[in-house]
Amino acid sequence: QSALTQPASVSGSPGQSITISCTGTSSDVGGYNFVSWYQHHPGKAPKLMIYDVSARPSGVSNRFSGSKSGNTASLTISGLQAEDEADYYCSSYTTGNILGVFGGGTRLTVL
Amino acid sequence: QVQLRESGPGLVKPSETLSLSCSVSGYSITSGYYWGWIRQPPGKGLEWIGSFYHSGNTYYNPSLKSRVTMSVDTSKNHFSLKLTSVTAADTALYYCVRFVPEETVCDYWGQGTLVTVSS
Repeated sequence: QSALTQPASVSGSPGQSITISCTGTSSDVGGYNFVSWYQHHPGKAPKLMIYDVSARPSGVSNRFSGSKSGNTASLTISGLQAEDEADYYCSSYTTGNILGVFGGGTRLTVL
Repeated sequence: QVQLRESGPGLVKPSETLSLSCSVSGYSITSGYYWGWIRQPPGKGLEWIGSFYHSGNTYYNPSLKSRVTMSVDTSKNHFSLKLTSVTAADTALYYCVRFVPEETVCDYWGQGTLVTVSS
């Protein structure tokens, strides 16, 4: 069982927006602004999409955005595209563990 | 562009030692950042194994610490993982990563290598 809770799957149609949640506790997501999100296409290297809750690395589309409210972080993808179909994982710093913890992952299906 | 690539045997026998290497290109390991290993058992989530700085500071997953050795070969710009006394529970996709501890972020990943523990 992963430390952070994500929905197993979400889906959306091209052009729509979807949001993936990542729920933790006050010892991780709620207590620090060190939440990151990764996109993983099977067989490829995972890719950092969001860090520090809402910052985007250079080269990542502005269709991807991150936010946090209380103990829940969220990744929103707007203007869904077929290429967004992938697994998404969240991660957060957690008290006393600089390596942090991961969510269980969410499979995004673009219908 | 920073690239990481894992290599090593895909099959290891129970009780033996799993050994993997990670070759880094596009960035020198000694120029900064931490480096490390993450794994994903089939059907399960991501799990940290550990991370290190080239000059010696190291962080471990406490549940694996007693079985893990991480080392670096700066002349070849690659680093290695050894996991001893493996069992079927160590079957996983193993990733090497570049890690930024100040922000708990892995900004570059390898594509992973599957290691199966079986006799």
